[in-house]
Amino acid sequence: DAGVTQSPTHLIKTRGQQVTLRCSPKSGHDTVSWYQQALGQGPQFIFQYYEEEERQRGNFPDRFSGHQFPNYSSELNVNALLLGDSALYLCASSLPASGIYEQYFGPGTRLTVT
Amino acid sequence: AQSVTQPDIHITVSEGASLELRCNYSYGATPYLFWYVQSPGQGLQLLLKYFSGDTLVQGIKGFEAEFKRSQSSFNLRKPSVHWSDAAEYFCAVGAEDSGYSTLTFGKGTMLLVSP
Repeated sequence: DAGVTQSPTHLIKTRGQQVTLRCSPKSGHDTVSWYQQALGQGPQFIFQYYEEEERQRGNFPDRFSGHQFPNYSSELNVNALLLGDSALYLCASSLPASGIYEQYFGPGTRLTVT
Repeated sequence: AQSVTQPDIHITVSEGASLELRCNYSYGATPYLFWYVQSPGQGLQLLLKYFSGDTLVQGIKGFEAEFKRSQSSFNLRKPSVHWSDAAEYFCAVGAEDSGYSTLTFGKGTMLLVSP
């Protein structure tokens, strides 16, 4: 049973560029959440997708957008990159409808903006 | 809005000694509480969770945590620490308005294990 997978592992971008990160949820999970973890900080919730729609959103600007596909995989897009966007981006999947609320995290994508 | 405080940024424990990592939360209703561990360069692994019922919960790798409503705390404990426990530990609370499926994390406690 594959867990949550993310790609790429590492990414280096320049200020002003756009980036797309990808996530495949744990088998059977239908809800995907994205978190940003800056160096020395705990993860911060960006948004959550369910049934291909954004269901919840944290305190992040519109430069951060996402998408969920029919197979429940998801993408996180960040436009007009800033130096402060450098962080570990974590994807988590869950199945809230089952009554099991824990989230399973992927290994993350390390984004460096120069 | 909910919040989580982990007062200790770093803790050093001798191998074989007991461990307690502190976590305090702020939330208006009964919280769903979690402890996660993160090894360097890795994602987060769930150690244990509290939803309801018995306030002492057991997790993986010999960890346990106790929910104390009166103190708004959910401290993580282990009776004997192993060198492999060195990692960063995060406490998190689940948000009710999303069906407890989004998490607010503390800033983490880095555990160092000395020989």
